[in-house]
Amino acid sequence: AQKITQTQPGMFVQEKEAVTLDCTYDTSDPSYGLFWYKQPSSGEMIFLIYQGSYDQQNATEGRYSLNFQKARKSANLVISASQLGDSAMYFCAMREATRGGATNKLIFGTGTLLAVQP
Amino acid sequence: SQTIHQWPATLVQPVGSPLSLECTVEGTSNPNLYWYRQAAGRGLQLLFYSVGIGQISSEVPQNLSASRPQDRQFILSSKKLLLSDSGFYLCAWSKRELSYEQYFGPGTRLTVT
Repeated sequence: AQKITQTQPGMFVQEKEAVTLDCTYDTSDPSYGLFWYKQPSSGEMIFLIYQGSYDQQNATEGRYSLNFQKARKSANLVISASQLGDSAMYFCAMREATRGGATNKLIFGTGTLLAVQP
Repeated sequence: SQTIHQWPATLVQPVGSPLSLECTVEGTSNPNLYWYRQAAGRGLQLLFYSVGIGQISSEVPQNLSASRPQDRQFILSSKKLLLSDSGFYLCAWSKRELSYEQYFGPGTRLTVT
């Protein structure tokens, strides 16, 4: 069965420093997608970054980058130059492999609560 | 551009009462639609997904049901709420074809008392 594991329930980081949020996954399918979402206290889920299993390079989106290590089945999120507005819950997710159609179902980890300190 | 709406934003209901949460999507057609529940301090659990009108797949056995009466409308219902139904309910949509992301609504915070 496919599974996403986030082992850090909470993290602290000083403003302007970089922080890495861990994510490991388990799947036997060769084709999959990995996502990171941010959930502020308001509750909305904000898409941050996507990595496909066949992508040769690590995904980057502004201050966000995904450290994709396929052999280790890890997809850590790196946030550079942390800002106070980065304080939120962060979820790693994996798109389930599809058979016969693109259901695009996502499996989520339990999340990491990031607190950025001034 | 596409937008997704959910209402109500918050709801307090007694145990045993019925429930109806609504989700609508604008600016796209033939979307896949999803209902998730997030318990306090927990991750998201997929409850239902739909790939078309009247087509509902249930992910976990529970006290809830879902319906899709129109292409861009997704409804989450219950005939009798349980205390364990409390949580944050999120609706999401994605493109029908293999897609990079799901787009989430603002959510409904349900408290069953």
